[in-house]
Amino acid sequence: DIQMTQSPSSLSASVGDRVTITCRASQSVSTYLNWYQQKPGKAPKVLIYAASSLQSGVPARVSGSGSGTDFTLTISGLQPEDFATYYCQQTYSRPHTFGQGTKLEIK
Amino acid sequence: EMQLVESGGGLVQPGGSLRLSCVASGFTLSTSSMNWVRQAPGKGLEWVSYISDSSNTIYYADSVKGRFTISRDNAENSLYLQMNSLRAEDTAVYYCAKKSRSARGENWFDPWGQGTLVTVSS
Repeated sequence: DIQMTQSPSSLSASVGDRVTITCRASQSVSTYLNWYQQKPGKAPKVLIYAASSLQSGVPARVSGSGSGTDFTLTISGLQPEDFATYYCQQTYSRPHTFGQGTKLEIK
Repeated sequence: EMQLVESGGGLVQPGGSLRLSCVASGFTLSTSSMNWVRQAPGKGLEWVSYISDSSNTIYYADSVKGRFTISRDNAENSLYLQMNSLRAEDTAVYYCAKKSRSARGENWFDPWGQGTLVTVSS
């Protein structure tokens, strides 16, 4: 199985800040990498698919990059609604594993 | 708007069985591959099972293989997860999620249902 490792596991930031979350795969997943946002008590929602494609309706302050084994999710100009938990997921091979999550909290 | 609604969760004793359902609206389930994903309380996401649009291809996570069975009824626009021999570690919110795919073949899960809670306890 491909292991997905996110860093950091938690992050404190202020409204207006720029944050970056990293996801590393144990082997190459090409660009088969997705990012999800999850708020407490809610289902995950896709933000970025195929490493860098912005899902319709997601604000342009969210961006993704990377290929192979190293990926980043960047959120610029943090808004109150961005404080949530973020997960990366590879869909290159089964099982389609997720990272352990990064909890973004308000400082 | 595409929507998925799960049902069937509840409290069950260890060794018991439960059948989850997921009803789709706003899109045709018969042309969609589908997944089940679970999340134990306070934990991360774990992919559980996949079924192709024609049911010809099915996969399971090792943790549920031999105990869970995924199926679908395209006429009813419904997806199912039959869970047998349940264990305490199966306690989780279970989500159904549609596989979406790009022209290049990359794929992701969207949309997701709201989830249904399964609690395995005596």
